[in-house]
Formats: sequence, C-alpha cells, structure tokens
Amino acid sequence: QQQVKQSPQSLIVQKGGISIINCAYENTAFDYFPWYQQFPGKGPALLIAIRPDVSEKKEGRFTISFNKSAKQFSLHIMDSQPGDSATYFCAATHYSGGYQKVTFGTGTKLQVIP
Amino acid sequence: DVKVTQSSRYLVKRTGEKVFLECVQDMDHENMFWYRQDPGLGLRLIYFSYDVKMKEKGDIPEGYSVSREKKERFSLILESASTNQTSMYLCASSGSRASTGFFGPGTRLTVL
Repeated sequence: QQQVKQSPQSLIVQKGGISIINCAYENTAFDYFPWYQQFPGKGPALLIAIRPDVSEKKEGRFTISFNKSAKQFSLHIMDSQPGDSATYFCAATHYSGGYQKVTFGTGTKLQVIP
Repeated sequence: DVKVTQSSRYLVKRTGEKVFLECVQDMDHENMFWYRQDPGLGLRLIYFSYDVKMKEKGDIPEGYSVSREKKERFSLILESASTNQTSMYLCASSGSRASTGFFGPGTRLTVL
C-alpha cells in the first residue's frame, strides 16, 4: 500500500525556473515530513523537513509548502540550477511500535537544462 | 565528516548464492537500517536495528536476514539470492530513534 504518493515521476525545468514536486498522504498519524535529494551514485541526503504545525518552511532556494487539511505537501525549488538535477524523495514519518518509521514517496527525477 | 560506507558499489551474483552486504558507520549511531531502492517504488525498509544484536523486521523482510554483532557494523544477508532481489541496497544510520538519518552510497546488486 502506497501511503505517500509523489508526482510527477520526472520533471524537466529550464535553468532559472521553478521546480515543483508534490506529495500526498493518507495516514493522519504522520508527524514529520522530510525531503531527500539523491545524486547519481550517491545515497539520499536529507534536504529539508517540516512539521505539520507550520504551513511553510524555507531554506535558501528550497521551500516546503504544507497543507494539513488536504494532506498534501510540496517542494518548490526556486531559480533552479543544473546542479539541482537529482532524484527527490518526499517522506513521512510516524511512531509505530515504539519506533519512528519512515514511508518514502516513489521519487521524482529532476533535470534542469541550461 | 559523517560517514556510512558499504562494502561494494556493484555486485553480481548467481541465483542460489549466499550474499553478504556490509555496512559500517563511524558516527557511533545506535540505529542502523537496510533499504532497497527500486524504480517507481521508492525506498522500502527491509530490516533495522536499534542496538547491538537486536533486529526488527521492516516492510519487506522476506528473503533477507541481518546481523549486528558490533555497534558500527550492520550486515544484510541474502540466504539464497533470487533474481527478484536484483536492486539497489542502501544502508543508513541515525543517532536517535528516528529512521531519517545518513545514507551510504548504495550497493547495486544484480542476481543472474
């Protein structure tokens, strides 16, 4: 069962444009929503994260928008650069059986063209 | 600089072979995890460990086992490799009871 749905699967954006990746979830027990960035040949790395008590978090060119009522959150990359080309995963975490468990989205491959 | 290392970047094995994937972290983290990454499926948790000699099943443990004899080392074992275990395997570690943490570079395993 896919608990975190991510779209689009792939995305091509012009340099300087805005990249937008969307995620939706069902489980209202999720309490932390991280985004990961993965370059080819590397493992995923935590990029930015948000808790459901805020609607937006910004770190440099990266912004998470969170809509608790719609159970949706998205990553916006402003002024996208070729160096941002990577696969992005959204995720959602919750406590289960005494441990925090992470459910990942299926990933979005972003290509930023010059 | 934090580091999670995996013993092999690429591995090719035959069906039925026993396969060991090794992961070592140098951050003194209590928690270690094994995921597999497949196109269109994202990352799925196979097993995790919150202490030495302790293990817990993740979402897809069938066909796998793990070993954690030392705090810094977490091994994933495929007792009898099958072609449907061809995948990218990622190890991760974290310093709290959170599954978000630091990932290794991955091992791309091909089972023929």
